[in-house]
This record gives sequence, structure tokens and C-alpha cells, in this order.
Amino acid sequence: KAGVTQTPRYLIKTRGQQVTLSCSPISGHRSVSWYQQTPGQGLQFLFEYFSETQRNKGNFPGRFSGRQFSNSRSEMNVSTLELGDSALYLCASSLSGHNEQFFGPGTRLTVL
Amino acid sequence: QQQVKQSPQSLIVQKGGISIINCAYENTAFDYFPWYQQFPGKGPALLIAIRPDVSEKKEGRFTISFNKSAKQFSLHIMDSQPGDSATYFCAARSGGGADGLTFGKGTHLIIQP
Repeated sequence: KAGVTQTPRYLIKTRGQQVTLSCSPISGHRSVSWYQQTPGQGLQFLFEYFSETQRNKGNFPGRFSGRQFSNSRSEMNVSTLELGDSALYLCASSLSGHNEQFFGPGTRLTVL
Repeated sequence: QQQVKQSPQSLIVQKGGISIINCAYENTAFDYFPWYQQFPGKGPALLIAIRPDVSEKKEGRFTISFNKSAKQFSLHIMDSQPGDSATYFCAARSGGGADGLTFGKGTHLIIQP
């Protein structure tokens, strides 16, 4: 069974731009969660989607948004990029959100 | 704010020794406690997880010990090998699953040959 895939793997943007990251969960998994990983703050929860609905959101500004499609694939969007948004963005999938979460390899975003 | 405190920040263990990483939490609503292993350039990989109705869970060389009254849990890696050198994260979750995982800051483990 294929694991969680994330595209692109690396991205370089400049301040003020916006970016869209994509995540394809493990086949059959309906829950997708997004996390931001930085050296200073560690791993922080962004939001979780299940059946195309956002069920929970972490403590991030409204510039961070996401969505989930009917095939469970998910995208997250960051608008008006800031230097501090440079991070590894990780997607995790689980069967229903009440189960184990399996992470993808992440998208490394660099904001210049 | 919900927190999970992890220690030590870094750890050096000789090959064949026991690696021990500790975590403490404050939120008694947490009901799921996983450990993840992360290698450079990779996403975290689920190692082992425990729920508060058991005090210990063992999978191969990895054991979680859980102390509900002290609100602490730990990861023991027996017969540590150089391939175990990685960053380890403890985490916790509440709310039946819709809440995200709250992670500790991580432990950088080095196993010396």
C-alpha cells in the first residue's frame, strides 16, 4: 500500500506571495491533518479534515487555510507569505482521525 | 496551553545500551500517546503508541511505560543500535481524535558504535 505523498517536496517563494501544498493520503484513509515543523517551535498542528469538513484548527493565523476533496486528497494554502513561514509542512493521514496518524515526507517551504 | 514536555533534548548511548526518553503532560483529557521517529529529510514515522488504560506496551526493542497518576510516559529502546540514531518525538492527543497531536520538542538520539 502506498504511503502518504506530498507535492511539491521543495518550494522557494518570496514574501507576500501565496503557496498551495498538496497531500494524497493512504488509500482508504479519510482524515488528513497538517502540521508545521520548525527548529524553534517544533511540530505544531495546523488543521484536520475529515470527509471534506474541517473538524479542528490549531493556533495559526487566517493566512493558513486548507480544504479536502471528495477523494480525500487535501491542499493547504498560505497567503501573504512571511519569512517566518519557512518550515517543513507535514501531512498525516488516518482512517478516521481516531486512529494512528501516518506522516508523509513533507514539503520544505523557504520564504525569501 | 496544552503542553507535552520532553527530556532530554539530546542523548548519547553506547551500542547495546538502553536509551530512555521521558515525557510529561498536563492535560488529563489526553487519551492517546504515540512516539514517532524521524530521520533527517523524512517525515515522522509512528513507532509505538499507548492508551492510558495500560501501564506498559512492548513492541520488539521498543517499550512505552505509562504512569497515569504522575502524568508521565517514557520510551525505552533496548539493545540500542547505530541505526536507531534519529530524533524521537512523544505526542499526545485528546478529543476522540479530531484534535491534533501535541508534540514534545524532540530528543536527538545518537548511538555510538
